[in-house]
Amino acid sequence: AQSVAQPEDQVNVAEGNPLTVKCTYSVSGNPYLFWYVQYPNRGLQFLLKYITGDNLVKGSYGFEAEFNKSQTSFHLKKPSALVSDSALYFCAVRDIKRLTGGGNKLTFGTGTQLKVEL
Amino acid sequence: DGGITQSPKYLFRKEGQNVTLSCEQNLNHDAMYWYRQDPGQGLRLIYYSQIVNDFQKGDIAEGYSVSREKKESFPLTVTSAQKNPTAFYLCASSRRQSNTGELFFGEGSRLTVL
Repeated sequence: AQSVAQPEDQVNVAEGNPLTVKCTYSVSGNPYLFWYVQYPNRGLQFLLKYITGDNLVKGSYGFEAEFNKSQTSFHLKKPSALVSDSALYFCAVRDIKRLTGGGNKLTFGTGTQLKVEL
Repeated sequence: DGGITQSPKYLFRKEGQNVTLSCEQNLNHDAMYWYRQDPGQGLRLIYYSQIVNDFQKGDIAEGYSVSREKKESFPLTVTSAQKNPTAFYLCASSRRQSNTGELFFGEGSRLTVL
């Protein structure tokens, strides 16, 4: 079964500093990987995805993620953090096996709370 | 603007009562999903539907029911059989034949059982 792990419950960073939110995955076959962000009492917003191709994926709000096949990682990064980046971040992987009826299932990590302080 | 609308945003229920959470989308997506979110546990799949009049159980379907009478609508009923219903519920949709699996989420409904 596919899985993702987010080893840090919380990451603290000062505004202007680079940030990294870690994610490792376990899949059989080629992974389809995603990052989502959630603000308090809101739904999840899509940030970026890795399907194939360049290992560095650029997404919304200045975020990027680096796919590393040998380390089975897909860490989320931003060169300069903003206080407004403070939110809950989820890594997800698409299951290789399709759902009954042909759909896709995403398996989510437990989330990492990012706190950016002045 | 296209999107997913969930209602109500906040809901309080007494033990033993059934409640229904609404989810409507105008993205013309075939597939719709219900996830439950609990602190520290990420998102867990409750039910999903790939096409009208068809739906399947996810990982934690016990105590929940759904219907899919229209493409745009996928309501979730939390029944009295659900032992721990207090949670944040998220509805999502996607194109059924999408190879990437990207999901689009609503704003969520927070259910509190008193």
